Amino acid sequence: ILNVEQSPQSLHVQEGDSTNFTCSFPSSNFYALHWYRWETAKSPEALFVMTLNGDEKKKGRISATLNTKEGYSYLYIKGSQPEDSATYLCAPGRNKLVFGAGTILRVKS
Amino acid sequence: GAVVSQHPSWVICKSGTSVKIECRSLDFQATTMFWYRQFPKQSLMLMATSNEGSKATYEQGVEKDKFLINHASLTLSTLTVTSAHPEDSSFYICSAAGTAKSTYTEAFFGQGTRLTVV
Repeated sequence: ILNVEQSPQSLHVQEGDSTNFTCSFPSSNFYALHWYRWETAKSPEALFVMTLNGDEKKKGRISATLNTKEGYSYLYIKGSQPEDSATYLCAPGRNKLVFGAGTILRVKS
Repeated sequence: GAVVSQHPSWVICKSGTSVKIECRSLDFQATTMFWYRQFPKQSLMLMATSNEGSKATYEQGVEKDKFLINHASLTLSTLTVTSAHPEDSSFYICSAAGTAKSTYTEAFFGQGTRLTVV
C-alpha cells in the first residue's frame, strides 16, 4: 500500500499571501503524480499531472514541482485569493490513484 | 476536461435496503472506472477498479458481495451497496479514465454521493 503524505493538514492565509504545500510519496516504481483541487460540493478538478523528475508546471497563479528521486512534490499558490479556498489532493499513480489526506486551504479576504 | 456525472448526489435509505449509485462519462468512453469512499476527515480510499465488460477488481478489505460494481458499457458504471447498514454511511465518489478526450494519465471525477443509512 502506497504511503502518501501531505502537509500541512490545513492552512489559513490572508488574501494576497503566497503559500505552498508538500506531497511526499514512495520514489520507487514512480509513474506520475497528480494534483487535484477539490472545492466543497464540486468534483475534484485535475490541476497537474507530472511525470518527469525536475518537472515544473504552471497554471495561472498555481505552480508545482516534482522530485521523483526523493519522492516529493510542492504546490505553490502565488497571491492567494478567496476562490483558491479548497482541499488540495495529491496522488501518485497512472489513473488508479492513491490519495494523500489533502491540505485544506482557507483564504480570508 | 471531460465530464463525469454521478447520481444521486445524496441518498438516505433504511437499514437493510440496497442503494444504487450511477457514474456516467458524458463526453468520452471510459474504459476504466474507479470507485472511492471517503470516511470523515480522511482521504479518498480506493474501493475497486472496474473495466468495461469484465469483473471489478476490489481492493483488500472491500467486500465484493457488499459493494456490487457493474460496468456494462463504456459510459456507465454502477455501485450497489447491498443490505446497507449505518456503518456504510459515507461519501462515495467515482472517477473515469478513457482514451477519447482524456489523456491516458488523467482521471475525471464525478460529484460524489453522500449515503446515509438510518
